[in-house]
Amino acid sequence: SAVISQKPSRDICQRGTSLTIQCQVDSQVTMMFWYRQQPGQSLTLIATANQGSEATYESGFVIDKFPISRPNLTFSTLTVSNMSPEDSSIYLCSVGGTGSGELFFGEGSRLTVL
Amino acid sequence: SQKIEQNSEALNIQEGKTATLTCNYTNYSPAYLQWYRQDPGRGPVFLLLIRENEKEKRKERLKVTFDTTLKQSLFHITASQPADSATYLCALSSGGSYIPTFGRGTSLIVHP
Repeated sequence: SAVISQKPSRDICQRGTSLTIQCQVDSQVTMMFWYRQQPGQSLTLIATANQGSEATYESGFVIDKFPISRPNLTFSTLTVSNMSPEDSSIYLCSVGGTGSGELFFGEGSRLTVL
Repeated sequence: SQKIEQNSEALNIQEGKTATLTCNYTNYSPAYLQWYRQDPGRGPVFLLLIRENEKEKRKERLKVTFDTTLKQSLFHITASQPADSATYLCALSSGGSYIPTFGRGTSLIVHP
């Protein structure tokens, strides 16, 4: 398993601002995944971040709103841009396990937009 | 469209009993089915994975069954304890993409 650290763990932000969430893994991984979990909802995949290439976004998510960086094999950032109250959610970073699809998650970043 | 259904109502059981949670899916041909545990304010924790050609898998007090004909998985916790209280998420992934899709989860409350 991997140990994943996310920062910040929580934040309260004003509408129209942007926030960058950091994800650090204790081992080198090829793919990192960013999920969103809205209150009472399932985890929804935002994008897959590969080192050295642009992130791959899922339907309904765009790079201008959720730019992602992946500068090396242990680190990634997700920015939530021009935030609105609808962006209030938990954002989770995750990495894959042994290759059968199981994921390991960070503790999440709980974002509240006023 | 693909759908993963887990009971949205919380499951309340008495300590020592077996908890059984259900995951149903439609319009999906999963290669793998996974179960995760999520505590409030924490990220999900991987528990068990079962492949499409496996009927059952066990790990300590946990047992998962996978019926591809019924399109259903059952997740059992035997001799349940209050510490087992959490939300349990079902997740499916296909052979084409190993990235799992998650259900909404079912909350389990074990009463002492």
